[in-house]
Amino acid sequence: DQQVKQNSPSLSVQEGRISILNCDYTNSMFDYFLWYKKYPAEGPTFLISISSIKDKNEDGRFTVFLNKSAKHLSLHIVPSQPGDSAVYFCAASRGTSYGKLTFGQGTILTVHP
Amino acid sequence: DAGVIQSPRHEVTEMGQEVTLRCKPISGHDYLFWYRQTMMRGLELLIYFNNNVPIDDSGMPEDRFSAKMPNASFSTLKIQPSEPRDSAVYFCASSYRGELFFGEGSRLTVL
Repeated sequence: DQQVKQNSPSLSVQEGRISILNCDYTNSMFDYFLWYKKYPAEGPTFLISISSIKDKNEDGRFTVFLNKSAKHLSLHIVPSQPGDSAVYFCAASRGTSYGKLTFGQGTILTVHP
Repeated sequence: DAGVIQSPRHEVTEMGQEVTLRCKPISGHDYLFWYRQTMMRGLELLIYFNNNVPIDDSGMPEDRFSAKMPNASFSTLKIQPSEPRDSAVYFCASSYRGELFFGEGSRLTVL
């Protein structure tokens, strides 16, 4: 059973526009959520996170929104740049103490110049 | 710091052969994780260790898969015998106080 789901395998966006990546989870025990970014032939790298006590966290062009009642989170990238083209993984955990994460399937983002 | 180091980067083998993937975690990290990436399921956790002790191997798909961590600086993931459905990218990651760092992965192709 997939506890973290990214239902859009891919997303194509024009440079300068907003990219919105979505993620749903089923386990109500999850209380910490993260987004990872992965370029080809590289390992995933941490992008941004949010605790369940918040509903928004912003870091430069990246903002993560959390809707606990809907068990849904989203990543907004504004403005999108061609260098943002990568696979984005949503992840969730119970607590933050040691890094055991449950990941989604990933969404391939392509930003066109 | 060199980061998490995995070898080999690419492995092509035939069905039935034994495959061993290797990982050197970041020095000082006390948790080590093995993940597998497939198109259908994304990144799946296979097993993780804390201070070299296996804690949860419930993600290991079958008895054909085994993992060891003989010391704090080395871990192996072994598949014996390998099957075509094992073809995937296998990632090792280590963490300290919750921040997870991934290696570049080992791409396995089983023919």
